[in-house]
Amino acid sequence: EVQLVESGGGLVQPGGSLRLSCATSRFTFSSYAMSWVRQAPGKGLEWVSGISSSVSSTYYADSVKGRFTISRDNSKNTLYLQMNSLRAEDTAVYYCAKSNNWHFDYWGQGTLVTVSS
Amino acid sequence: QSALTQPASVSGSPGQSITISCTGTSSDVGSYNLVSWYQQHPGTAPKLMIFEVSKRPSGVSNRFSGSKSGNTASLTISGLQAEDETDYYCCSYAGTITWVFGGGTKLTVL
Repeated sequence: EVQLVESGGGLVQPGGSLRLSCATSRFTFSSYAMSWVRQAPGKGLEWVSGISSSVSSTYYADSVKGRFTISRDNSKNTLYLQMNSLRAEDTAVYYCAKSNNWHFDYWGQGTLVTVSS
Repeated sequence: QSALTQPASVSGSPGQSITISCTGTSSDVGSYNLVSWYQQHPGTAPKLMIFEVSKRPSGVSNRFSGSKSGNTASLTISGLQAEDETDYYCCSYAGTITWVFGGGTKLTVL
């Protein structure tokens, strides 16, 4: 069974930075695009960022463009999300999700990011 | 990138059928047959239930079905069971490699 395990969440002050990781296994990581999706407490899902299988292309929601950077290391089967200039409204559980064509077929359990002073 | 519109809640009795709507625009739902639906139990990761409007992944019950008309997609659950009570989210490809989700619908099985 495909496995996605996020880590790196925690409490950070407004304006601070955090780097999330998503370790994957049991599928050919380098063959699939990946995304980050977040969910604020008690709220719905929001697509945040995506990256192509070859690392050549990255995509962002307007809400995080210029502050977040998605990347991947295909040799380590790991997806990353560098988050800078964090705001209170970035507080959420962040999920990594495996893309299969135009939908997300597997999700990790999520990591909680709390932005607060 | 405005969120798709879903009813906040729907309810039905065991054995009945319910439908959850998901309304977008001509830039997302209306432009692509790339609507997916996710089931999420509290505190757990979302689970794919429907993709490309009406296709079911292996292992998902055939009680779940999807459709689309114009800018509105729908998820229908037939033969409601207690285990179906949870949150459901629609999602549409929105062009330029971006996606938009609905606000979520809480299903209550009476």
